[in-house]
Amino acid sequence: AQTVTQSQPEMSVQEAETVTLSCTYDTSENNYYLFWYKQPPSRQMILVIRQEAYKQQNATENRFSVNFQKAAKSFSLKISDSQLGDTAMYFCAHDYGGSQGNLIFGKGTKLSVKP
Amino acid sequence: GAVVSQHPSWVICKSGTSVKIECRSLDFQATTMFWYRQFPKQSLMLMATSNEGSKATYEQGVEKDKFLINHASLTLSTLTVTSAHPEDSSFYICSAQEGGPNTEAFFGQGTRLTVV
Repeated sequence: AQTVTQSQPEMSVQEAETVTLSCTYDTSENNYYLFWYKQPPSRQMILVIRQEAYKQQNATENRFSVNFQKAAKSFSLKISDSQLGDTAMYFCAHDYGGSQGNLIFGKGTKLSVKP
Repeated sequence: GAVVSQHPSWVICKSGTSVKIECRSLDFQATTMFWYRQFPKQSLMLMATSNEGSKATYEQGVEKDKFLINHASLTLSTLTVTSAHPEDSSFYICSAQEGGPNTEAFFGQGTRLTVV
C-alpha cells in the first residue's frame, strides 16, 4: 500500500529556533521521489524540498533540510532559524507510477512560528 | 518561474447545476495536468490525470461522469463538476507538468467550490 503518515497534527516553534517535522511512508516502488510542500493560508501549494530516493545524500534548500532514512522509510524536515513566514501547513508526499505529478500526501502538520 | 493559474478562485453554485473550473499554465506548455481535491483541514487527494488530447485517467473511486476533465490544449485543462451537490463542496487544486514524468509539477492556487 502507498501511504504517507505525519504523526504531528500541530507544532509550534519560537522564531529563530529549529523545528523538525516527522514523516514516514510506505511504497512498493523501487524508484521514487519524496517531497515536502508548504501550504500557507493562501492555500497555494509551494514545493519546499525534494529528495530522490536513490540518492543517499540528504537534500538541503537554504534553511530547510531533510533526514532521509530509506530503510526506515522516514523523511523528516528540519527548519532552521524559523521565521514568521514559515507558519503554514506542511505536507509530506511521495510520487508513484513514475510521475512527480502523481502524489500521495500525508495529512499535514500545522506549524506555527511564534514571535 | 512556472505559473499555473486557476479560475475562478471561488464559486458558489446551486445544487443540481454544473460548474467548470479552469487550470492554465501561463508560461509553459503542460504535457500533463493533475486534479486534486482537498477537504477542509485534510490532505490532498488525486482525482485524475490528464494528458493533452487524450482521455483523463481517473483514480479509483472518482466518478468520471461526475467530474468531467478536458485537456484540449497544452495550456488549458478544465474540470466540470456536473449536477453538483453539497457533498461536492471542496477545494479543488490543479497542477501541471511541463516536461516528462520526472519533472516538477507546479500547483495552481486552487478553487473553492460551495454548493448550496
